[in-house]
Amino acid sequence: EVQLVQSGAEVKKPGESLKISCKGSGYTFTNYWIGWVRQTPGKGLEWMGIIYPGDSDTRYSPSFQGQVTISADKSISTAYLQWSSLKASDTAMYYCARSYSSSPPPDYWGQGTLVTVSS
Amino acid sequence: QSALTQPASVSGSPGQSITISCTGTSSDVGTYNLVSWYQQHPGKAPKLMIYEGIKRPSGVSNRFSGSKSGNTASLTISGLQAEDEADYYCCSYASSSAWVFGGGTKLTVL
Repeated sequence: EVQLVQSGAEVKKPGESLKISCKGSGYTFTNYWIGWVRQTPGKGLEWMGIIYPGDSDTRYSPSFQGQVTISADKSISTAYLQWSSLKASDTAMYYCARSYSSSPPPDYWGQGTLVTVSS
Repeated sequence: QSALTQPASVSGSPGQSITISCTGTSSDVGTYNLVSWYQQHPGKAPKLMIYEGIKRPSGVSNRFSGSKSGNTASLTISGLQAEDEADYYCCSYASSSAWVFGGGTKLTVL
């Protein structure tokens, strides 16, 4: 069974750093792309970027380029999304999702990680 | 403002059929046969219902079907059931930004 299991909810202060994770199982992790998607009540679902764990090829949405860093450790089948300095506007639900290529929309999604940034 | 346009809400009675539209441009829906539809219940992750515009993943009811005409993709749910009440999102590959999403449609089963 394909599963993407994300790390738990986080509460952070503005300016703090954060790294959340997404562990894949039930398939060959290095053969699929992992994308990150932000969901907020105001802006809905937004694609942030995508990584191919096989060779770490990474692409970012222009809206998120420079704001976040996407990485992966194929030895433990885990992808990451990190911030160096959080803002209140980063408060959202974040999903990882799998795709067989960099183009088609994803098939399986993680359960989501709620990030709350508040002073 | 979402890249793809969906109606904010639709409703129908049990047993009826409803259709949700998803309008994009020639840079996404109109050019690529890479439209997916997702069902999201409150507090849950999105679930794939339709991919490549018309295909159903294994395990998804055949009451769900997809189509496309020009820059508009559509999701039709026939024989509405109470469990179909959820938010539905379309997503397309876009040459400018990989995955672009619709704003979501809230389906109410009356």
